[in-house]
Amino acid sequence: NAGVTQTPKFRVLKTGQSMTLLCAQDMNHEYMYWYRQDPGMGLRLIHYSVGEGTTAKGEVPDGYNVSRLKKQNFLLGLESAAPSQTSVYFCASSPLRIETGELFFGEGSRLTVL
Amino acid sequence: GENVEQHPSTLSVQEGDSAVIKCTYSDSASNYFPWYKQELGKRPQLIIDIRSNVGEKKDQRIAVTLNKTAKHFSLHITETQPEDSAVYFCAAVPDAAGTALIFGKGTTLSVSS
Repeated sequence: NAGVTQTPKFRVLKTGQSMTLLCAQDMNHEYMYWYRQDPGMGLRLIHYSVGEGTTAKGEVPDGYNVSRLKKQNFLLGLESAAPSQTSVYFCASSPLRIETGELFFGEGSRLTVL
Repeated sequence: GENVEQHPSTLSVQEGDSAVIKCTYSDSASNYFPWYKQELGKRPQLIIDIRSNVGEKKDQRIAVTLNKTAKHFSLHITETQPEDSAVYFCAAVPDAAGTALIFGKGTTLSVSS
């Protein structure tokens, strides 16, 4: 039982390049999230999904797109990377409503945009 | 939308002392308030939570208090130990549907022996 797995764990991009971060969970959770973590800024919600085929914007959605084609996967895309997107990205999942339990986080993906 | 403010941003204590971290939230509809701990280089993990129908909750050396009228909640750690050194995040659920968590900016706690 791997929990929440993120790939890749490290990536360096040049400005303007595109990439996709993959999050996979094997706990049959309905809700999935993408957060970014920057020094002094905490964890900021980018996008989230409350079920297969659904997505919604969080606090900082600009410059990112997401897709949830399969219940176990949640993809985060950067179409044209910018240095401001240099960050550590965390994927998380939860069974249902947040207050029924906890968020299970992945190990994080460190992205550097030059 | 929900706004969660957390203070202080850094906190240094001696081993054995108590540590208190405070958060305020803006949305009066929020009804669930968890605390997450993140050790250096690791993922955040839930350490304690409280719901709006409870004023205080305790788990060994950690406790959380909630004042819904004032819209603030606090984390209390007693008898601190070096392994308590980490970044602590408070959070709130911004809507009645319970679909997401909004986090504070974090408090870096350093416990020196």
